[in-house]
Amino acid sequence: DGGITQSPKYLFRKEGQNVTLSCEQNLNHDAMYWYRQDPGQGLRLIYYSQIVNDFQKGDIAEGYSVSREKKESFPLTVTSAQKNPTAFYLCASNVGREVGNTGELFFGEGSRLTVL
Amino acid sequence: GQNIDQPTEMTATEGAIVQINCTYQTSGFNGLFWYQQHAGEAPTFLSYNVLDGLEEKGRFSSFLSRSKGYSYLLLKELQMKDSASYLCAVSGGYNKLIFGAGTRLAVHP
Repeated sequence: DGGITQSPKYLFRKEGQNVTLSCEQNLNHDAMYWYRQDPGQGLRLIYYSQIVNDFQKGDIAEGYSVSREKKESFPLTVTSAQKNPTAFYLCASNVGREVGNTGELFFGEGSRLTVL
Repeated sequence: GQNIDQPTEMTATEGAIVQINCTYQTSGFNGLFWYQQHAGEAPTFLSYNVLDGLEEKGRFSSFLSRSKGYSYLLLKELQMKDSASYLCAVSGGYNKLIFGAGTRLAVHP
C-alpha cells in the first residue's frame, strides 16, 4: 500500500540534544512538508520541498533543519537551538507542481517529541 | 497578512446537524480543504472546494463563497465517532496549505 511512514512515533530527548525525525513516502510525490502542531493550535509549516535537492523555509523554520537527497525521504532534525521543541510533528506530501494539483496533502501518522 | 478563523470548540447531540464555519484572508487562493483529525492522529481529508457552492459527500457537505472569504462544513446525522477536530485549510500560492487552528467538536448522547 502507498503511504507516508514517520518514525519514531514517540521520542523523548534531553535538553541540548539534536534529534532527527524520519519521513518516507512511496507515493511518488514530488513535494514534501513538515508541520508542527501544538495543543489548541493549527498546523504550522516548518519546511517544505518541491523537488529533490531543494527545500524552503516555512513559517517557523528556526531551530530546525532538513535535507532532501532522495525523492522518497525528507528527514527533519530538531536542533538544540529550537527553544520549545515539545510538539506533535506531521510529515505530508503531495504531487507537487503538476497541472491539476489541488494542493491536497497526504499525511503520515505523526511523531510526538517530548523534551525532558 | 494571512488569516484563517474558525470557532475553537463546539458541542452537539448525537443525530443532530452541526455547521462549522471558517473565514479566511489569504494572499492567494487555489481552493479550500476540510480535514478531520482525531486526537493524536494524522488529519484525514474530508472535502475540497475551489468554486462557489455546496459540495455534498454522504453525511458531510462543504460550502464555499470566494467573494466573502467564507466556508462551512455541515455534518448531518451526527455520530459519536464524529467527535474530533475539524481543520479548515486554504491552498495559497507556492503549493502550500495554510491551516486554521481547528474546531474541536464534541458529540454527546
